[in-house]
Amino acid sequence: ETGVTQTPRHLVMGMTNKKSLKCEQHLGHNAMYWYKQSAKKPLELMFVYSLEERVENNSVPSRFSPECPNSSHLFLHLHTLQPEDSALYLCASSRGDGEGETQYFGPGTRLLVL
Amino acid sequence: RKEVEQDPGPFNVPEGATVAFNCTYSNSASQSFFWYRQDCRKEPKLLMSVYSSGNEDGRFTAQLNRASQYISLLIRDSKLSDSATYLCVVNMGGGSYIPTFGRGTSLIVHP
Repeated sequence: ETGVTQTPRHLVMGMTNKKSLKCEQHLGHNAMYWYKQSAKKPLELMFVYSLEERVENNSVPSRFSPECPNSSHLFLHLHTLQPEDSALYLCASSRGDGEGETQYFGPGTRLLVL
Repeated sequence: RKEVEQDPGPFNVPEGATVAFNCTYSNSASQSFFWYRQDCRKEPKLLMSVYSSGNEDGRFTAQLNRASQYISLLIRDSKLSDSATYLCVVNMGGGSYIPTFGRGTSLIVHP
């Protein structure tokens, strides 16, 4: 049973739409992550937040906008996406206080951009 | 050179076989190592951590070779349910808790 939930689980949107992905962790962790996983490609780290502050942004296009209002919630706001943005978007959390940490993943949001 | 490299496979083995995967990492200062498992259309989940002395969990054995900078995962007596993608994960150390994932190795166990 995962302590990380994501909504929605599936999302279909047009290129002109605006939508948001939500992630919530119930593990008391301080770090939260957004990953993108495209078909037959490795996990791509998008954003990392530690104690609600962004600590890493891996050159992600500005059409993806993260928000971390508190240590338990993480959002990914989407606008004017492209078809190549269709992928599985995974949220994860970890303690964020040292090395050797396990990452706990949510079930992901499967996004299709038409 | 990629930071964490894995053979994507697929490794296609019969039930009962023993199969091993390797994963190489480029940063000699790396501190922590893990194997995650990802089932088709599911999220990755921790399979096991990899300790310097090696560790075993049932049919699964993980080992670390710091000199050659690789970790390995050995699966004995493969089951159909072992079919999945196995992700190598390395923490580069230096106080960073942000891990680096390999692209994964696909395992297919057939009857």
